[in-house]
Amino acid sequence: GAGVSQSPSNKVTEKGKDVELRCDPISGHTALYWYRQSLGQGLEFLIYFQGNSAPDKSGLPSDRFSAERTGGSVSTLTIQRTQQEDSAVYLCASSLAAGYEQYFGPGTRLTVT
Amino acid sequence: GQQLNQSPQSMFIQEGEDVSMNCTSSSIFNTWLWYKQDPGEGPVLLIALYKAGELTSNGRLTAQFGITRKDSFLNISASIPSDVGIYFCAGRSGDDKIIFGKGTRLHILP
Repeated sequence: GAGVSQSPSNKVTEKGKDVELRCDPISGHTALYWYRQSLGQGLEFLIYFQGNSAPDKSGLPSDRFSAERTGGSVSTLTIQRTQQEDSAVYLCASSLAAGYEQYFGPGTRLTVT
Repeated sequence: GQQLNQSPQSMFIQEGEDVSMNCTSSSIFNTWLWYKQDPGEGPVLLIALYKAGELTSNGRLTAQFGITRKDSFLNISASIPSDVGIYFCAGRSGDDKIIFGKGTRLHILP
């Protein structure tokens, strides 16, 4: 079956612009997670959704970062007024429910110039 | 908060060697997961462990859920070039949070 998909796969943007990253989870998965990964580094947790609610937003680095999920499916991560330090790979994962195994998408590589 | 200590951070080995990596925690976990991330890809689930003492194999990979529920190891036998990548452990805590280790970077010397 279809896995987690993310778009775009690559995004280059100028400093100060807003970007939107999209995640399509596996059908039927109620939990959705966003992570950030700098080059060669570990996974930095950003935010988690159960259904359309975000019980844990503790990882969002600043108020320039926001995320929403609609219809219990697609999620978008928005970064406003991008900065060079926002350059990273943004990974999305979904799971059947909270605490179950997470399945990852291929990521969006964001480069802020 | 809860943290996982994953070691080693990096490994440089010869093709054909066996590999061992582990994760430890000060807290008990209910589930241990092992992922592999190839360059330019998202992490892929390799093995899931659900019971203390459980030993599970997937081809050349073997993982165990420690009996104290605070550790897990992953072994790879007879390494091949496509084993190169970052291996992440993850543990599920009692409040259903999944915590990831910082990864073990496996390099195979030519």
